Amino acid sequence: DIVLTQSPGTLSLSPGERATLSCRASQSVSSNYLAWYQQNPGQAPRLLIYGASSRATGIPDRFSGSGSGTDFTLTISRLEPEDFAVFYCQHYGRSPLTFGGGTKVEIK
Amino acid sequence: EVQLVESGGSVVRPGGSLRLSCVASGFSLDDYGMSWVRQAPGKGLEWVSGVDWSGSKKGYADSVRDRFTVSRDNAKNSLYLQMNSLRAEDTALYHCARGGHYSDSSSYIPYMDVWGKGTTVTVSS
Repeated sequence: DIVLTQSPGTLSLSPGERATLSCRASQSVSSNYLAWYQQNPGQAPRLLIYGASSRATGIPDRFSGSGSGTDFTLTISRLEPEDFAVFYCQHYGRSPLTFGGGTKVEIK
Repeated sequence: EVQLVESGGSVVRPGGSLRLSCVASGFSLDDYGMSWVRQAPGKGLEWVSGVDWSGSKKGYADSVRDRFTVSRDNAKNSLYLQMNSLRAEDTALYHCARGGHYSDSSSYIPYMDVWGKGTTVTVSS
C-alpha cells in the first residue's frame, strides 16, 4: 500500500499569505494519480485537485498543485478566510486508495 | 444539483449491526463506481469500501473485511453498507462518495469528486 505523509501537521498563517502544503508518498505514484481535498469544519470533503495539478470544477485559481513521483505540493497563493481548513492528499488509480493524515491551515 | 445524502447512522452496542444508505440525485448512479469513506472523531479520512458500477467488483479495507458488505441498487440510485460485528473503533462519520472504485471494466480507480455530508455511527455499550 502507498503511505502518504503530509507536512506540516499544522500551518499557522494570516489571510493574504501564501500556504505551501507537502505530501510525500512511500513509493512512486503512477501517472501522478494524486488528488487534494479540502474539509471545512462540519462539512464534507471537497475535491480541489486531481492528476496532481488539474483543478476540479469551480475551484479558484489561487489553488494550484504540483509535483510528480513521490513528492507533491498544494499551494494556496493568497489565503482567503474560507481557506482555513484541513487539507488531505490521496492517491488513486489502483486499490487500495489511501489518504494522507492531513494538514490543518489555521489563522495565526 | 448533484448530491449524495446518507442515512441510517445510529448508536449501536458492540457486536451489533447497522445498515447505511446513500441516495444519489442529479446524476445516474450506474455510470460510476462508489465508495464509503469514514472519519473517526478528530481523525483523518479512511477509505472503507467501494463497489464498481455493476455491483460485481467490491473492495474493502482490511479493518472491515468480513464484517462489512457494500451493495448498490442502480434502479433506486442507492448505495448501501451493511455493517456487522461492530466494534468501538468503527465509531465514525461515514461519507458516501462518487468514485474511489472501478467505474467500468478497466482497472483504473478514479478520484472522489462528489461527497455526501455523512451519517454518524457510534458503537458504545
